[in-house]
Amino acid sequence: ETGVTQTPRHLVMGMTNKKSLKCEQHLGHNAMYWYKQSAKKPLELMFVYNFKEQTENNSVPSRFSPECPNSSHLFLHLHTLQPEDSALYLCASSQVTGPEAFFGQGTRLTVV
Amino acid sequence: TQLLEQSPQFLSIQEGENLTVYCNSSSVFSSLQWYRQEPGEGPVLLVTVVTGGEVKKLKRLTFQFGDARKDSSLHITAAQPGDTGLYLCAGEAGGTSYGKLTFGQGTILTVHP
Repeated sequence: ETGVTQTPRHLVMGMTNKKSLKCEQHLGHNAMYWYKQSAKKPLELMFVYNFKEQTENNSVPSRFSPECPNSSHLFLHLHTLQPEDSALYLCASSQVTGPEAFFGQGTRLTVV
Repeated sequence: TQLLEQSPQFLSIQEGENLTVYCNSSSVFSSLQWYRQEPGEGPVLLVTVVTGGEVKKLKRLTFQFGDARKDSSLHITAAQPGDTGLYLCAGEAGGTSYGKLTFGQGTILTVHP
């Protein structure tokens, strides 16, 4: 069983759909993150949760809505996305004090 | 805004050659990490360096953190096709920025048999 598991691995959705990405970590970490990886751009930090509390929202549009019910689970709710939101969405976890982040395999999202 | 510049962006070499990837910034980082990512997968942590001037070795990979903690390098000796992948450096500023990583744009390495 991998340390950080993301589902689904692939997702195709229309611009009017609502979907959710799920992330689960089995490493005993207390911080979780969402990153976006687009072609030809560095990984972009989207959200940070420390001890289930959101501590960072990196100017992410409201069509992305995170949820962290406990330290082991993280969701990213998606609605009315745009084609430019197509990317690989990566979940990561770490201890709150960092620095080492462990990543899931990502969800490849395509918005049509 | 902290930025990390990685170079080169692309590297295509023959098996057995040596190579170095650079990661540079004008900002100081409390730690710097190197990751390797294969297509369709998430980044996998290779090493973390935290002390200025630190050198760490992982088999044929040698990682160095600059004295001023603003830059780092990854050197691979006798590259093998299995080393092919995207190499990413990531810096953590520390302080209230614990866990928040700034990534370089990556170096795509292809090692030909």
